[in-house]
Amino acid sequence: AQRVTQPEKLLSVFKGAPVELKCNYSYSGSPELFWYVQYSRQRLQLLLRHISRESIKGFTADLNKGETSFHLKKPFAQEEDSAMYYCALGNQGGKLIFGQGTELSVKP
Amino acid sequence: DAGVIQSPRHEVTEMGQEVTLRCKPISGHNSLFWYRQTMMRGLELLIYFNNNVPIDDSGMPEDRFSAKMPNASFSTLKIQPSEPRDSAVYFCASSPDRVGANVLTFGAGSRLTVL
Repeated sequence: AQRVTQPEKLLSVFKGAPVELKCNYSYSGSPELFWYVQYSRQRLQLLLRHISRESIKGFTADLNKGETSFHLKKPFAQEEDSAMYYCALGNQGGKLIFGQGTELSVKP
Repeated sequence: DAGVIQSPRHEVTEMGQEVTLRCKPISGHNSLFWYRQTMMRGLELLIYFNNNVPIDDSGMPEDRFSAKMPNASFSTLKIQPSEPRDSAVYFCASSPDRVGANVLTFGAGSRLTVL
């Protein structure tokens, strides 16, 4: 079965502190992992995907197949990073499921 | 392209009434998804279509929910009869069939309140 777990509903940090949003997945096939972000009053949008191995807005995420994790990290959080973050798992058939989401709050 | 277009943006209705949510995907996208967002459960996949054909509806809560995609540019999600527990934000999203598959573009959502 395809499953995504984000253990933290809310993560609160101070500006400049490191951030790690946790994501674990369960999937028997070859996974495609994504992070989507929803800023206040904006649409849900793609932040990054594991196959691109890119850094977007200072965020990175590494797929760890041994630990079945895809944690999102940023070394120095900014107030504008405050948003709802969703980890997502896609399969070859095009089905994409999401975790429950983690609300990131960056305080000044 | 205006992106994925959903209507209505807000709907307030009474329990027992029929609710119809509408979605226009991005032109050329062959996959369309309906998600429900609640505080308790986050984003749940209800159903998705590929080339207008329902592929997986295992997330549809119960028989009160139905979805159709009569053509490549239009889909509906219907709830009949509606109940207070159906109150949520319903998102439609679309994606290309091959290149960029699994990369979804979301609509603005339809916020449903059932009294």
